[in-house]
Amino acid sequence: QSVLTQPPSASGTPGQRVTISCSGSISNIGSNYVYWYQQVPGTAPKLLIFRNKHRSSGVPDRFSGSKAGTSASLDISGLRSEDEAVYFCSAWDDSLGGHVVFGGGTNLTVL
Amino acid sequence: QVQLQESGSGLVKPSETLSLTCTVSGGSISGDSASSDSYYWGCIRQPPGKGPEWIGHIDSSGSTNFNPSLKSRVTISVATSKNQFSVKLSSVTAADTAMYYCATIETKYNLSPGSVSLGQGTLVTVSS
Repeated sequence: QSVLTQPPSASGTPGQRVTISCSGSISNIGSNYVYWYQQVPGTAPKLLIFRNKHRSSGVPDRFSGSKAGTSASLDISGLRSEDEAVYFCSAWDDSLGGHVVFGGGTNLTVL
Repeated sequence: QVQLQESGSGLVKPSETLSLTCTVSGGSISGDSASSDSYYWGCIRQPPGKGPEWIGHIDSSGSTNFNPSLKSRVTISVATSKNQFSVKLSSVTAADTAMYYCATIETKYNLSPGSVSLGQGTLVTVSS
């Protein structure tokens, strides 16, 4: 069971807006930056959003991240078929000597 | 930018030891370099259809930290002269079947503490 909680699935039609949530605790999201990764089947997760809200190079501005308290969200607007992938959140956790924790992933389907 | 390349056995028998070697390029793993203090050197695994799981990491001073659920079976060591680090997981079972990634995790001395960068990964299957 993953430390960070994400919904297992999300869906939307082309052009729609989708929001993926990530819930944690004071020792991880509440105290540290949140990162979002996109994983297309058969490839390694790719960093999408860093330090809560900053887009990695080449990531379209349709993708945005935010954080409030012990939760974070990834918003995807103007949904496109190529956005179909699994999205993971992660954060540093200050407990147990410090380590990185992940969400279980949200499988996004573009209908 | 630091990059990682995994090498290791893709098929491991139950009860045996999984070995993964991570070769670092674009930076130095040695304790006397600026890049070494910026990163933890570690391993992340991802079982089929599941989220990533932190296995453990080592810092520039050689201090290690491991996932409590795996701590009794994991070792991570550094080969400074080869700019490599190695991960070993003993007494494996089918539950250890996963994609294994070498990872850098940015420390508080870097711009994005907690950010994880992964190698391409290597699929390890535990089966007799």
